[in-house]
Amino acid sequence: DADVTQTPRNRITKTGKRIMLECSQTKGHDRMYWYRQDPGLGLRLIYYSFDVKDINKGEISDGYSVSRQAQAKFSLSLESAIPNQTALYFCATAVPHTDTQYFGPGTRLTVL
Amino acid sequence: GESVGLHLPTLSVQEGDNSIINCAYSNSASDYFIWYKQESGKGPQFIIDIRSNMDKRQGQRVTVLLNKTVKHLSLQIAATQPGDSAVYFCAENMANRGKLIFGQGTELSVKP
Repeated sequence: DADVTQTPRNRITKTGKRIMLECSQTKGHDRMYWYRQDPGLGLRLIYYSFDVKDINKGEISDGYSVSRQAQAKFSLSLESAIPNQTALYFCATAVPHTDTQYFGPGTRLTVL
Repeated sequence: GESVGLHLPTLSVQEGDNSIINCAYSNSASDYFIWYKQESGKGPQFIIDIRSNMDKRQGQRVTVLLNKTVKHLSLQIAATQPGDSAVYFCAENMANRGKLIFGQGTELSVKP
């Protein structure tokens, strides 16, 4: 969905490096989410934010941090990347009280 | 809880046939359910949703059925086309807590 963009689309990095994945949206939604997807598995929630002053841990937040710079921007950081963080990462947005989430195109991250 | 594994359930159908994809959800308090379609290299795309006060909802070529008694959700695709080939995920909300729980996914393959 072009309303939710993610950069970069692909990234290869080395163990121990700090990297940031960025998400921007033009949908005007307050709620934003970060997920990771591993082969053969569903989506697992890393962090979520209901507005610019709100940050919440998801089920797999260890090794990750986030920043909600504005309503439209939500960044995910890997403080010290490790190989088992190799995955597809998706950002999503939602309107409050609807629970319908709209996803970005994803970032494929490889940690060597 | 979620099943964990590297091999997605798969469904192979002939072009023009109807497809039925099933999902068992975990939380009896969930009151909103969504089906997403994920094509290779793309983010999940919203297909259809249903609230717990309904047991059936129809869209264009798709129907979602909800059986709350056995916590079962299904997606029916009529006259399946090659463009329907994708991984399909069901998702349930967490009783209005603003988060979704995703199933493992089912890979649909359409044979021409």
